[in-house]
Amino acid sequence: QVQLVQSGSELKKPGASVKVSCKASGYTFTSYAMNWVRQAPGQGLEWMGWINTNTGNPTYAQGFTGRFVFSLDTSVSTAYLQISSLKAEDTAVYYCTYGSGSYFFDYWGQGTLVTVSS
Amino acid sequence: EIVMTQSPATLSVSPGERATLSCRASQSVSSNLAWYQQKPGQAPRLLIYGASTRATGIPARFSGSGSGTEFTLTISSLQSEDFAVYYCQQYNNWLSITFGQGTRLEIK
Repeated sequence: QVQLVQSGSELKKPGASVKVSCKASGYTFTSYAMNWVRQAPGQGLEWMGWINTNTGNPTYAQGFTGRFVFSLDTSVSTAYLQISSLKAEDTAVYYCTYGSGSYFFDYWGQGTLVTVSS
Repeated sequence: EIVMTQSPATLSVSPGERATLSCRASQSVSSNLAWYQQKPGQAPRLLIYGASTRATGIPARFSGSGSGTEFTLTISSLQSEDFAVYYCQQYNNWLSITFGQGTRLEIK
């Protein structure tokens, strides 16, 4: 069955970097774009953008340019989200997700909590 | 950017009753509208896509309607497991996907 398994929770200091992984199984990784969604504590869902798993070309939503980088390692069917120069407001759960039909999302990772605190 | 506005923010309904949740888009999204359910500590779960098509395994008590800028999610007879937060999402512009702010469905 399809699974998206994300890396574990992270506690980082302001200014540091973090890299979240999302390992896919149960389907052909390069068949569907991988999206990232952020959810701050007690808040709603915010789409961050997506990466073309064939070409590696990323598309970033407004507000997620500069410090946010999507990348891939197709040899291990894994997508990555790297955030640099972390700020307290980056504290959130980050989800990887994809849609098998279009740009709605039917498969989700379990989420990775990134906490930024001094 | 297309802004999605959900109403009400919180809806209190008794088990067995009908719940109606609304989602409005700031411009037409055609039928490129999805609904998700999210429970505490869990990832969102796709309920509806294409405004009215139930996702795999979703019970028939969940139905979606609408097109253009006005959409509705109806849960015909609320079960205890349906109390959660619901989000709408437009994907008409795949370069700028947006979610609504959510409606919390609570037990009355």
